[in-house]
This record gives sequence, structure tokens and C-alpha cells, in this order.
Amino acid sequence: EPEVTQTPSHQVTQMGQEVILRCVPISNHLYFYWYRQILGQKVEFLVSFYNNEISEKSEIFDDQFSVERPDGSNFTLKIRSTKLEDSAMYFCASRLGAGGQYEQYFGPGTRLTVT
Amino acid sequence: DAKTTQPPSMDCAEGRAANLPCNHSTISGNEYVYWYRQIHSQGPQYIIHGLKNNETNEMASLIITEDRKSSTLILPHATLRDTAVYYCIATKSGYSTLTFGKGTMLLVSP
Repeated sequence: EPEVTQTPSHQVTQMGQEVILRCVPISNHLYFYWYRQILGQKVEFLVSFYNNEISEKSEIFDDQFSVERPDGSNFTLKIRSTKLEDSAMYFCASRLGAGGQYEQYFGPGTRLTVT
Repeated sequence: DAKTTQPPSMDCAEGRAANLPCNHSTISGNEYVYWYRQIHSQGPQYIIHGLKNNETNEMASLIITEDRKSSTLILPHATLRDTAVYYCIATKSGYSTLTFGKGTMLLVSP
């Protein structure tokens, strides 16, 4: 069964460093998302991406964040200068089409620890 | 997206049916009801969704009331591995980002 994959599973970085989180969405999916979950808190939407551009972003997704689909398979989230409060689980998701009838499938997540 | 209300926790005996309620009294006509679950800190797992008709798949059944103001997720024979946080989400068409609440913590016991 096709699934969303994410690498690395755990990333430790120092404050101020840049990190890139990688995702491989399900191959025929067209819509891509990043969410994050701070320990003990809700899953929060960060950004959605379609047709090589951001379609929606939350207040969390400020200038320190960027997303890219560098090739036909990968979808990345970059944090330019990490802060302690960026420590969280980051989930990538993808879906086949627009419309509420298309479900999103989530990857297993990357645990980001900023020290 | 419509606000959803779920009980914070529920218990279920292994092998019994787990019935998880969700209230979405302000849901609009084009909003779907989605159910996801999350085991520990794993990625949310899609379970089922529906618009107005009842739905069933290999994991669960979704019963939506006729006025669409509430729904129930049914796990017909709960196992220990079904212990998780279950999220009920109402979402519109379009890009349909998901807004997660606190969900219901379902504990399945032997």
C-alpha cells in the first residue's frame, strides 16, 4: 500500500542552524501539506502546496519557513534559523485531489529537537 | 470549518464495539466529517470520512445523523491496538487543511 515517507525520523540541531526535513508523498498525489505537533499539544497546520506554489499557510509559517518540491518526488520543509520553540514533531501529508472527498495521508513524522 | 466537540476520554473492553461520538452542530452543507486517530506521537492515521450518508470500510463505520449535527465512529471489535486519540474533523472542499482538536483518548482494556 502506498505511503508517505519522511526522513530523518529524528533530527537534533543547535539553535540558529538551518534544517531541512524531507518527505516523499504518495506518488500520484497532487496536494502536499506540513503540520507540526509540539509535545503534548494539538496537531497544527503549517502550509499547503499545490502546483509548485503555496496555496495556504498558517500564522506559524513565517519567513523562517520555506517549502519546496525540488523534483517529482520530494517535498521539503526548511527552517532557516531554528529556535528552541521549533522543537516538535513535523508531519508531512499528501492527498490525491481537491475537494472534501479526498482524504489526507500522513507520514510517520520527523522529531526535531533544537538545543 | 465547523467546530467539533468530543468527549476527552472513553474506555472500551477488548472485543466490544467502541462508539465514539462527535458533535458538529454548526456544520455546513459542503463540509465533510473526517475521523483520524493518532497512536502515541505517530502520524495521524486516516480512518473514514463522509458527507451525509453512513459509511463503512475495513476499519470502522461512520454514522451521521440525518440533520448532520452529530456523528458516531464505530470500531466494531476493539483491540488493544485501537488505543489511541481519535479526532473528528469537519472540513470544507478546496485545499481542505485539517484543524485538529484535542480528540477523544480511547483506552481499550483486556
